[in-house]
Amino acid sequence: AQRVTQPEKLLSVFKGAPVELKCNYSYSGSPELFWYVQYSRQRLQLLLRHISRESIKGFTADLNKGETSFHLKKPFAQEEDSAMYYCALWGYQKVTFGTGTKLQVIP
Amino acid sequence: SAVISQKPSRDICQRGTSLTIQCQVDSQVTMMFWYRQQPGQSLTLIATANQGSEATYESGFVIDKFPISRPNLTFSTLTVSNMSPEDSSIYLCSAGLAGGETQYFGPGTRLLVL
Repeated sequence: AQRVTQPEKLLSVFKGAPVELKCNYSYSGSPELFWYVQYSRQRLQLLLRHISRESIKGFTADLNKGETSFHLKKPFAQEEDSAMYYCALWGYQKVTFGTGTKLQVIP
Repeated sequence: SAVISQKPSRDICQRGTSLTIQCQVDSQVTMMFWYRQQPGQSLTLIATANQGSEATYESGFVIDKFPISRPNLTFSTLTVSNMSPEDSSIYLCSAGLAGGETQYFGPGTRLLVL
């Protein structure tokens, strides 16, 4: 079975401070990992995927197979980053989502 | 990318009735999925909607309660049958692009059962 764990339900940071949203996974094969974001009153949307190794809106995430982690990071938080963030894993022909972390950026 | 629309956007239903939710994709996609998101919780996969064959249901979800149709590569429906207040939730449709792993979501259908 596959599992995605996001230990923090809520993360509050001040504007300009670094952000790290934690994600750990459990999967027997080679995982494909994603971060999805849901802004207020908007639909869930893809933020980034690990195989792209890209930076979106200043966010990056590195897959650490040794620690089975895929933490999302941004060096300087902005108010518009406030949203719900979901880590997700693709395996066995389906996506498993974590429970989500609400990021609150304080002006 | 893909644009997903859902109808209805919300509904209030009486216990014991059924509601069919429609999902339309603006392009042909191989994989479509239905999720449930209960208040304050994450997304739970209900089933994978397979074109031309029966849907693949996740543990805890059965066809009699959540019948799904997928008549073509751009459209699917989910019916919530014999509803109870516990079915009150947001129901989301998604389309999986590439090999299915990259998902695009509809806006959701907010269902309240009285």
